[in-house]
Amino acid sequence: QQPVQSPQAVILREGEDAVINCSSSKALYSVHWYRQKHGEAPVFLMILLKGGEQKGHDKISASFNEKKQQSSLYLTASQLSYSGTYFCGTEGTGNTGKLIFGQGTTLQVKP
Amino acid sequence: EPEVTQTPSHQVTQMGQEVILRCVPISNHLYFYWYRQILGQKVEFLVSFYNNEISEKSEIFDDQFSVERPDGSNFTLKIRSTKLEDSAMYFCASSTTTDTQYFGPGTRLTVL
Repeated sequence: QQPVQSPQAVILREGEDAVINCSSSKALYSVHWYRQKHGEAPVFLMILLKGGEQKGHDKISASFNEKKQQSSLYLTASQLSYSGTYFCGTEGTGNTGKLIFGQGTTLQVKP
Repeated sequence: EPEVTQTPSHQVTQMGQEVILRCVPISNHLYFYWYRQILGQKVEFLVSFYNNEISEKSEIFDDQFSVERPDGSNFTLKIRSTKLEDSAMYFCASSTTTDTQYFGPGTRLTVL
């Protein structure tokens, strides 16, 4: 039931790109992406609703393949501030807001 | 920019004691949630709350846990008899619909 994220960890140099994947074995209503820095609360990045819409702002974008029950988060031209742990949260029904989070992907951006 | 607030930031308690964690959701939000995160692990859903009742709860949210919206602004999580394994960061979140959820800064609960 828990979505599976890959990779578990990524190390990048500033300016490099990264892709983080989130896969579920169950049908999804939505996928939510959050970034969490050490000792802080998760910060909302974006939400993708079923319909396969790709969203993005600035250099962070995401896609949602409803048929494959997969979502990918794309980080382009990474900055030091992108470092943190990225979690995808999946919602099955859209009625209660219950999010099931993946285990997280740790991203480290080096100068 | 409105934000979710939580108090206290850190709570230390003895095993078997009751604790109440407090949250003030964003003012026009209608859906409220509690999540927890054991150190170094993923965020886990506990409960969602809408229209003054629980809309969904997880297996973790057993009879030791309860939630309440005692007035128009606060949302509380009570743990009746704390156990060592309840030690975690507890996050409150709120949303206008069931879509975008905004998390508070968390309360670190340490059970001794």
